[in-house]
Amino acid sequence: GNSVTQMEGPVTLSEEAFLTINCTYTATGYPSLFWYVQYPGEGLQLLLKATKADDKGSNKGFEATYRKETTSFHLEKGSVQVSDSAVYFCALRSSNTGKLIFGQGTTLQVKP
Amino acid sequence: DAGVIQSPRHEVTEMGQEVTLRCKPISGHDYLFWYRQTMMRGLELLIYFNNNVPIDDSGMPEDRFSAKMPNASFSTLKIQPSEPRDSAVYFCASSSLGQGATDTEAFFGQGTRLTVV
Repeated sequence: GNSVTQMEGPVTLSEEAFLTINCTYTATGYPSLFWYVQYPGEGLQLLLKATKADDKGSNKGFEATYRKETTSFHLEKGSVQVSDSAVYFCALRSSNTGKLIFGQGTTLQVKP
Repeated sequence: DAGVIQSPRHEVTEMGQEVTLRCKPISGHDYLFWYRQTMMRGLELLIYFNNNVPIDDSGMPEDRFSAKMPNASFSTLKIQPSEPRDSAVYFCASSSLGQGATDTEAFFGQGTRLTVV
């Protein structure tokens, strides 16, 4: 079946550092890929998405490119802020069944 | 739209009691998902519905768990009897699945924090 694997956390960075959170997937067909963010005590919010190969999703300085050849969707940001501290989830949705599954989440802590 | 609405936000119950969690999806969405979040297991998909019909319940941990969607605007997740290991945050999410897969993201509720003592 489909699956999503994220790099283990926690990730601790200083403010203005470069961020990469790795995400790889296995899937049949042509899934859509997502990054969601969860702030303490809240539900998940969509951060960005890509619906086909080579698409780049971007939002709030974050970006990720849908790489079918490497089955990856790595999240990057050039300069993180303390306010980016949260849990980040990579997700995959099957275009055939509509099923939406998530990776295990990566905690990011940004220190001033 | 007010978004996905879950109730209650917090529930504390004694082991052996029945617990019912409720979800109102966004109007017009035809997919509804139930997830469970714990530190140990992360975010697990329990069950999802399409047009009120359960499509995949392979994530439901045991027969003690059941979910229903009697109409397009309401769903319940029931645990009977509850056990301490069921303590978690339960999320409901809804979405559509538009033409060409361009409208595929799910919107989450605030979650229900369940504590079974």
